[in-house]
Amino acid sequence: GNSVTQMEGPVTLSEEAFLTINCTYTATGYPSLFWYVQYPGEGLQLLLKATKADDKGSNKGFEATYRKETTSFHLEKGSVQVSDSAVYFCALSHGGSQGNLIFGKGTKLSVKP
Amino acid sequence: EAGVAQSPRYKIIEKRQSVAFWCNPISGHATLYWYQQILGQGPKLLIQFQNNGVVDDSQLPKDRFSAERLKGVDSTLKIQPAKLEDSAVYLCASSPRGDRGAPQHFGDGTRLSIL
Repeated sequence: GNSVTQMEGPVTLSEEAFLTINCTYTATGYPSLFWYVQYPGEGLQLLLKATKADDKGSNKGFEATYRKETTSFHLEKGSVQVSDSAVYFCALSHGGSQGNLIFGKGTKLSVKP
Repeated sequence: EAGVAQSPRYKIIEKRQSVAFWCNPISGHATLYWYQQILGQGPKLLIQFQNNGVVDDSQLPKDRFSAERLKGVDSTLKIQPAKLEDSAVYLCASSPRGDRGAPQHFGDGTRLSIL
């Protein structure tokens, strides 16, 4: 079946460090891929998405490229800020008119000043 | 635009009791989802509605969970009777359409604790 695997957290970085959170997926066909972010005490927010191979999603300095050959959608940011501290979820959506999401377990990021 | 509204934010009940959650999606969004998020895990779909019809309820524990979306707008999710393993955050999401590329907008969730 369809599934998403993310790197285990927590991840602790200093401000201005480079961030990579790995995400790989298993799915038949051509899923859409998403990164959602959950700030403390808040609901999930869409961070970025890509709907086909080689697409790059980007938002707020974050980016991720849909790599079909490696079934990956790694999240990157060149210089993290304290305000980026949150839990990040990789997700896929696959299947015609059923747009329901399949999520990874989430990766908690803490950025220290 | 107003976001997805959920209530209550928190609920504490004893096992075997009943509980209900309410969701008001973004105006005009045809598709509504309920997810269960157990601590330390990603959300898992419980049920998907398209307008007032059920699209997918394959992962809904139907012996104790029920959901409805009357008139294709608001939705309620009910648990009766609750078990300890139902302790989780229940998230409602809506989308203008239900296809794989459509982004979902999430509410803040209802945190349920079962004693």
